[in-house]
Parts: sequence; structure tokens; C-alpha cells
Amino acid sequence: GQQLNQSPQSMFIQEGEDVSMNCTSSSIFNTWLWYKQDPGEGPVLLIALYKAGELTSNGRLTAQFGITRKDSFLNISASIPSDVGIYFCAGRNNNDMRFGAGTRLTVKP
Amino acid sequence: DGGITQSPKYLFRKEGQNVTLSCEQNLNHDAMYWYRQDPGQGLRLIYYSQIVNDFQKGDIAEGYSVSREKKESFPLTVTSAQKNPTAFYLCASSIDRRQEAFFGQGTRLTVV
Repeated sequence: GQQLNQSPQSMFIQEGEDVSMNCTSSSIFNTWLWYKQDPGEGPVLLIALYKAGELTSNGRLTAQFGITRKDSFLNISASIPSDVGIYFCAGRNNNDMRFGAGTRLTVKP
Repeated sequence: DGGITQSPKYLFRKEGQNVTLSCEQNLNHDAMYWYRQDPGQGLRLIYYSQIVNDFQKGDIAEGYSVSREKKESFPLTVTSAQKNPTAFYLCASSIDRRQEAFFGQGTRLTVV
């Protein structure tokens, strides 16, 4: 099945900086999801998007469902050290849920 | 506490042995999933189940088997036919096939 293209692959930023990552697909999805994974743990859901054009915030996190339904982005504002981890996007159509390869975020104090 | 529990967290097996990974949820979710995660890669779907006594192959089902005899439980067996079984295995569940999925903490399987 098709995979999602997530970029960047990794980011090294200073504490306090804003972060932006995105996910694109050649196929349309009905739902876009963003997860965060800490080392050795399962992914934790950050934001779920259900409608094209939808913009949703969760604290310092903001995500948007692209109007073409083939892309989504996640922004993190004013990063802090605990934002470190791997961020995954996922596109969902009924039973099919596809994941990007992840963006590894490192925050330097 | 509601959630998804995977056990054990770490598992070591000798090559050629079958091994079963446990996944239990008390969220009353209908759908359950097994994913495999390798370093630097996204999650790849092994099997999923929408309801009890029904399951479907994902993208990389070869060498794996599952059962869904109870709503709460979806064990995964890694058989000796799986060529490269060492990986991090993640179980997930969702209310139904359209809603977001929630993950367990994972089982790291090492085959030596």
C-alpha cells in the first residue's frame, strides 16, 4: 500500500523555537492523525483531524488537514525540552491507516 | 484505568521458536491492530480485526498469525517462518474502523 512522505526526517532546534513538519500522500485520506513517540514507548495521539481544511490546536501544538486531503502539517510553538521525541503522521481511510516514517525532534536547552 | 496493555515489554527467543505477544484492552473497542516498527521506519500493519472472530491481513502478514476470540484480546504469534522477527511490536485499538487508534506501550522482541 501507499506510504506517507513525512519531512523533515530530523530536526535540531533551540529551546523556544517554533517547529513545523508535514506529511504528504499521493492518495486522499478521510482522517489525519499526529502521534508522538518517546523512546521504547508506544505512540501517543496528539491531534486528530477529520475534515479537509480543519485547523486544530492542542496547547502549543497546531495541526491542519490539507484542503486536497492529501497532506497535513503540525506546528509546535515555543519548543521545550520535553518536546523531544519522534512525531508520526498517519492517514486513515476506514480500516487502512498509513504512517509516515517519523520526524525525530531534538531540542537543545 | 482504561487502556491497552501489551506484555511482556521485552522478549527474547531463540531462532526457530514461535512466540506469542499479548495485547489486552478494556476500552470496549471493536477494532484492534498489530504494527511492526523497525528503526527509522514508520509503522507497518501486520494484522487487524474489526470484530470478534474476524481478522484481516495487513501489508506484512507473512510469518505472523493472530486470533480474536474475545473482544478484549488480540494476541500475535510470531512464527519461525518470519525471516526477520527482531523488531518493536505495537498493538492498537479504536472504537471502530473510522476513529483514531490508541496504542499500547509495545513489546521489543529480540530473536537470537
